Amino acid sequence: SQQGEEDPQALSIQEGENATMNCSYKTSINNLQWYRQNSGRGLVHLILIRSNEREKHSGRLRVTLDTSKKSSSLLITASRAADTASYFCATRVTSGSRLTFGEGTQLTVNP
Amino acid sequence: GAVVSQHPSRVICKSGTSVKIECRSLDFQATTMFWYRQFPKKSLMLMATSNEGSKATYEQGVEKDKFLINHASLTLSTLTVTSAHPEDSSFYICSARDLAGAYQETQYFGPGTRLLVL
Repeated sequence: SQQGEEDPQALSIQEGENATMNCSYKTSINNLQWYRQNSGRGLVHLILIRSNEREKHSGRLRVTLDTSKKSSSLLITASRAADTASYFCATRVTSGSRLTFGEGTQLTVNP
Repeated sequence: GAVVSQHPSRVICKSGTSVKIECRSLDFQATTMFWYRQFPKKSLMLMATSNEGSKATYEQGVEKDKFLINHASLTLSTLTVTSAHPEDSSFYICSARDLAGAYQETQYFGPGTRLLVL
């Protein structure tokens, strides 16, 4: 069964604006990861946040994790047209278990 | 970062034929590789997990005789879609974990293979 649910399913913004995507999951996790997928391509790993972490930054990306609410958010600041892609969250229940993906958010950044 | 390649990137075949897709880890040893299937505008569905030198573990509902997986070396796994039918048309993505590397939690994904069965 799908562990993660993402919100919104689709998001369209103007270049320069911030984009926020949310992910909720059902069970306790060891870590949560965000991936990007350009149309018709493979996935690119963006950032990993562990269950004992609350926030992580990587460049224009900011990820938060609220284990009490079983949710995470991905913020992309100062978006660019090149950020247009699908974004997926994925969780690991234990460090050795498989990744379970959410349904994804399709982000469109208009120039 | 670690690189995973897939070949071919796209393939068109006739119904009833078999298609082999290769997945290679180019600069690391992948003790575990994963095969996913993705339908248009949908998420990734894990098909099977393969460990080097042992039989693959298939997810529920995935036919092991239909989707043959071989992980003969630490850098190569293959997925063979046997007697392909139009409903097997999909985007197949492989992924690998570098359990000996600094980023053991990260899975590296190949670029995917688009299969179209006519």
